[in-house]
Amino acid sequence: SQQGEEDPQALSIQEGENATMNCSYKTSINNLQWYRQNSGRGLVHLILIRSNEREKHSGRLRVTLDTSKKSSSLLITASRAADTASYFCAYRMDSSYKLIFGSGTRLLVRP
Amino acid sequence: DVKVTQSSRYLVKRTGEKVFLECVQDMDHENMFWYRQDPGLGLRLIYFSYDVKMKEKGDIPEGYSVSREKKERFSLILESASTNQTSMYLCASSRIQQGSYGYTFGSGTRLTVV
Repeated sequence: SQQGEEDPQALSIQEGENATMNCSYKTSINNLQWYRQNSGRGLVHLILIRSNEREKHSGRLRVTLDTSKKSSSLLITASRAADTASYFCAYRMDSSYKLIFGSGTRLLVRP
Repeated sequence: DVKVTQSSRYLVKRTGEKVFLECVQDMDHENMFWYRQDPGLGLRLIYFSYDVKMKEKGDIPEGYSVSREKKERFSLILESASTNQTSMYLCASSRIQQGSYGYTFGSGTRLTVV
């Protein structure tokens, strides 16, 4: 399967702590993206990192990409209860319109 | 506010019925996609379209068909609904140059086939 793997599957932290989620994939990629999904809703695009980039920031989000290890991580700093959601990585293979989604990490931020 | 709109949040249909799931985007995006999401299986691509009247099969097209007669609308059709098609269906769109843009998703349609 080409599906990305995410680790951990579930994460529970206290408000104010940092949350780190990891994603591994199997092919060469054009870019890698992270999405958030609140329970029972659609996915919301958070951030995109290209294959020639190593790190990217957006507000409290920091994404890293290591193409040699075929892995990426999403760091959410100073988490809030409102960050409680599932987070998915998704990558686009070269010469393809398709995104391949990871299995997701369920994040619970306790107030 | 740009968006992707799915016609129904919840649907209940009977086995054997023909089911239409509608998706409309107002961003003039070339690409549109239908995914289904199931616990433990993640998001799986059913079909996608990169232009009007153009379509390509995704990973799990069996039992589904699609229609894209206009750029803004992409319909998913279950020819004869079965209980194993009970799922959350997600529509998405993107610009054709996807190097710098992510997907915009609709809110999803939770379909139950009884």
